[in-house]
Amino acid sequence: DAGVTQSPTHLIKTRGQHVTLRCSPISGHKSVSWYQQVLGQGPQFIFQYYEKEERGRGNFPDRFSARQFPNYSSELNVNALLLGDSALYLCASSIVGGITEAFFGQGTRLTVV
Amino acid sequence: DAKTTQPPSMDCAEGRAANLPCNHSTISGNEYVYWYRQIHSQGPQYIIHGLKNNETNEMASLIITEDRKSSTLILPHATLRDTAVYYCIVRVEGGGTSYGKLTFGQGTILTVHP
Repeated sequence: DAGVTQSPTHLIKTRGQHVTLRCSPISGHKSVSWYQQVLGQGPQFIFQYYEKEERGRGNFPDRFSARQFPNYSSELNVNALLLGDSALYLCASSIVGGITEAFFGQGTRLTVV
Repeated sequence: DAKTTQPPSMDCAEGRAANLPCNHSTISGNEYVYWYRQIHSQGPQYIIHGLKNNETNEMASLIITEDRKSSTLILPHATLRDTAVYYCIVRVEGGGTSYGKLTFGQGTILTVHP
């Protein structure tokens, strides 16, 4: 079975631009979460989506948005990019129901110049 | 979710057991202890979790003290491939909306030496 897949793997954008990152969860997983990991820090929670609805949001500005599609894949959008948005963006999927663990993708490395 | 405290770094010789401590003195009765690790340039990887009983799987063992205020992750025979940042996370389980948020701290950088 395929794990969590993210695209693209690397991306370079200019300040002020917009970016869309994509995530496909493990088959059968209905929950997708997004994290931002700045160099030298642990991942920071951005969003959780389940059944196409936002179920949790971290302390990030409104420039960050996301959505989940009927096939449970997800997109993370960031508007008006700042240099400080340069980070590894991680997607995690999990089965909702019972006690379980989250499975992470390899991430998208975003560099804002 | 309860806050955790971990040493910033630890060393271990290859083939020896690596014992990674975690303090979570404010843990609540319904909070589980999770361990993840992150190998350089990869996404975090789930290792193990537990509530109050000791747990073991093919990767590691988790020892939780009786008062649940601390725990130890044990890698019984560390290899060079176990070099990674290890994160101890405490969170509530149950309910369909609580799985998304994992609160990562700084973690422990474990370096396994030949």
